[in-house]
Amino acid sequence: NAGVTQTPKFQVLKTGQSMTLQCAQDMNHEYMSWYRQDPGMGLRLIHYSVGAGITDQGEVPNGYNVSRSTTEDFPLRLLSAAPSQTSVYFCASSYRHSSTDTQYFGPGTRLTVL
Amino acid sequence: GQQLNQSPQSMFIQEGEDVSMNCTSSSIFNTWLWYKQEPGEGPVLLIALYKAGELTSNGRLTAQFGITRKDSFLNISASIPSDVGIYFCAGSNFGNEKLTFGTGTRLTIIP
Repeated sequence: NAGVTQTPKFQVLKTGQSMTLQCAQDMNHEYMSWYRQDPGMGLRLIHYSVGAGITDQGEVPNGYNVSRSTTEDFPLRLLSAAPSQTSVYFCASSYRHSSTDTQYFGPGTRLTVL
Repeated sequence: GQQLNQSPQSMFIQEGEDVSMNCTSSSIFNTWLWYKQEPGEGPVLLIALYKAGELTSNGRLTAQFGITRKDSFLNISASIPSDVGIYFCAGSNFGNEKLTFGTGTRLTIIP
């Protein structure tokens, strides 16, 4: 198993550009989520999905869109990038949406918006 | 939203020393989790705690779920170079399974 994979690993955007961060898992996990990590602030939940076709907002959803058309993939879209979205983005998955199920994190995407 | 405060923010210790860090919350959690993040990687789960007062070990790591449900502690005994990284606590509640992460404790080991 590859676990949770994220692409790209690094990305530089100009303000106003759009892009999609890819996330895939091969563990047949129902639950997937996106976090952003900023210095001194820990990880904050952006969006999450409890199964294919179902998504919901987390703590900091503004400026981001998600969709979950398959169990395996959970892309994160930035429609119009802003410097405030400069961050490291982590995708995570777990078998169920339960605190008793271990969340597995991907290696992260480091995004810089100029 | 809920805030989890971790202390200390950073630690510089010598190899072989014991390490203690804690996490406090303004509200109650039913589940406490401790993660470790190494440079360039995502967080990895170390220990999960599900009951107030619970003490759980994983090798040289020991974590406790505070009696008040508003705090948790992580101890590392006899530190080694591979313990270097950022340690995060996280909390969640039954029925609202979203994780709230702490601000992290960065551990550096001085040779």
